[in-house]
Amino acid sequence: DAKTTQPNSMESNEEEPVHLPCNHSTISGTDYIHWYRQLPSQGPEYVIHGLTSNVNNRMASLAIAEDRKSSTLILHRATLRDAAVYYCILRNSGGGADGLTFGKGTHLIIQP
Amino acid sequence: DTGVSQDPRHKITKRGQNVTFRCDPISEHNRLYWYRQTLGQGPEFLTYFQNEAQLEKSRLLSDRFSAERPKGSFSTLEIQRTEQGDSAMYLCASSLRDSTTQYFGPGTRLLVL
Repeated sequence: DAKTTQPNSMESNEEEPVHLPCNHSTISGTDYIHWYRQLPSQGPEYVIHGLTSNVNNRMASLAIAEDRKSSTLILHRATLRDAAVYYCILRNSGGGADGLTFGKGTHLIIQP
Repeated sequence: DTGVSQDPRHKITKRGQNVTFRCDPISEHNRLYWYRQTLGQGPEFLTYFQNEAQLEKSRLLSDRFSAERPKGSFSTLEIQRTEQGDSAMYLCASSLRDSTTQYFGPGTRLLVL
């Protein structure tokens, strides 16, 4: 799997937008960009994924660079419950059967 | 909400003992995954089932580890002759065959003394 690079930690204030970056310069044309997050003492949960176009869902937005070598997860209005480790993962569209390859992710700290 | 469930949630054992964990996936999810997570690290893939067939095993899965999914529903992960290095969170996830999204359980935290 192609590798992703994320900052170790980020800090934001409650009710402000948060932009979590991810670099994936070796991404292939068939790799989807997935984001999962892991709240304290819980298993990871799916957040969002995309291929080329920006994506929105009830949890977040995903902005994908035109060359696809980087992406940004956007939490529009962070709450204390968004404090978690956020993982950016590449997943080949032809696969889907293999395990996810997690890095260390970004530890997001939300200040009240 | 019938998400992925795991049992037990916590297990403390002595070195050398055998332990077994159970995972119940979301019903109708035919794919089931096991991961291991140590402190400060992201989860690491261990093995994957499609229905009852174990299709992939990571090199992390030593011969002391065995996983089964006998009827294509729940799965068990057994660790024989536990070592202190086996202390970790063991996570289970499931997905539909045509989906790349995995749904994780709460995990079983193992402590080997």
